Amino acid sequence: QVQLVQSGAEVKKPGASVKVSCKASGYTFTAYYIHWVRQAPGQGLEWMGWVNPNSGDTNYTQNFQGRVTMTRDSSIRTVSMELNRLTSDDTAVYYCARDRARGQLAYYFDYWGQGALVSVSS
Amino acid sequence: DIQMTQSPSSLSASVGDRVTITCRASQDIGNYLAWYQQKPGKVPKLLIYGAFTLQSGVPSRFSGRGSGTEFTLTISSLQPEDAATYYCHKYKTAPPTFGQGTKVEFK
Repeated sequence: QVQLVQSGAEVKKPGASVKVSCKASGYTFTAYYIHWVRQAPGQGLEWMGWVNPNSGDTNYTQNFQGRVTMTRDSSIRTVSMELNRLTSDDTAVYYCARDRARGQLAYYFDYWGQGALVSVSS
Repeated sequence: DIQMTQSPSSLSASVGDRVTITCRASQDIGNYLAWYQQKPGKVPKLLIYGAFTLQSGVPSRFSGRGSGTEFTLTISSLQPEDAATYYCHKYKTAPPTFGQGTKVEFK
């Protein structure tokens, strides 16, 4: 069965960086785009960007341009999201999510990782 | 960016009630509208895409309607396991955007 398993919770200080990983299994890793979506405590869902596990191409929403990097390592079926220059506003659960369309971008998501809480506090 | 606005922000209903949530888009999005269910402390679950197509395994008491700028999610007979927050989601083009959520609780 399709699974996305994320790395664990992180506690960071303002100005630091965090890297969250997402290991895929149960499907052809290179066939589906992976997106990152975050959710601040008690808040809604915010899309951050995508990575193409086949090519490594990425696209980020403007809110995170210059601060986020999404990568993939096909040898271990893992995608990662690194966010720099953290502030308290970045405290959130970060999800990886698989695009529902095979081989193309549909921008909606059928499988999600379990989420990784990133807490930013001095 | 296209803004998605849900109403109500929360509702309280009884088991067996018919419940309807509305989602409005700031521009025409055709049928590129999905609905997710998120239970407390859990991961969002895809319920509906293409405005009305049920994702595999989703109970038939859930249904979606609409196109263009106005959409609805209806639960025909509310069950205890339906207590959750529901999000509409505009997709197909970047950036995909979500409504602010509708929390469904029991009286």
